[in-house]
Amino acid sequence: DQQVKQNSPSLSVQEGRISILNCDYTNSMFDYFLWYKKYPAEGPTFLISISSIKDKNEDGRFTVFLNKSAKHLSLHIVPSQPGDSAVYFCAASALYTGNQFYFGTGTSLTVIP
Amino acid sequence: ETGVTQSPTHLIKTRGQQVTLRCSSQSGHNTVSWYQQALGQGPQFIFQYYREEENGRGNFPPRFSGLQFPNYSSELNVNALELDDSALYLCASSLGSRRSGANVLTFGAGSRLTVL
Repeated sequence: DQQVKQNSPSLSVQEGRISILNCDYTNSMFDYFLWYKKYPAEGPTFLISISSIKDKNEDGRFTVFLNKSAKHLSLHIVPSQPGDSAVYFCAASALYTGNQFYFGTGTSLTVIP
Repeated sequence: ETGVTQSPTHLIKTRGQQVTLRCSSQSGHNTVSWYQQALGQGPQFIFQYYREEENGRGNFPPRFSGLQFPNYSSELNVNALELDDSALYLCASSLGSRRSGANVLTFGAGSRLTVL
């Protein structure tokens, strides 16, 4: 039972353009969301978070949008850089589960120089 | 500030054997979670420890067990290994309590287990 889904396994974007990574979830109790980036042979690195009381959170080149009615969130990277090439995971948690996060299967982003 | 460290980085076992994976949490963090990441999948929650007590468990059988020590480091033990246990095992630490909301997880680089 996959409660968090990333339906695009891969994405290629030209350097300097916008990258949009999407994530859908099914559990309406989820109220805290994280995005992680993972390079090969490394652990996931935290990028940005958003709680359900907001619909947008920005941190430098990274912006996360949350649409609670659609149970959808997206990560925008502008401008995209070759160093952004990695696998991106979204993760969701509900208050009652504390720090138990449900992860999507990841989207592999390739930024073409 | 030291990050999350895991050992060993790689190991190979055979079916039926037992394995222990170790994790040192980031300084200041009191909660440790373990995740299993199979090839091509996202991390799946195994269990979490807070102040040496199990504080949540995912859909994993009892042969997956853990410990947390007073210094907040942790072990994951898997008995009677099966081929499907081959995966990357990720440890993550965080600062949280049973009553607090979710907090950002800081991950280690993982231990890659191969079961033959």
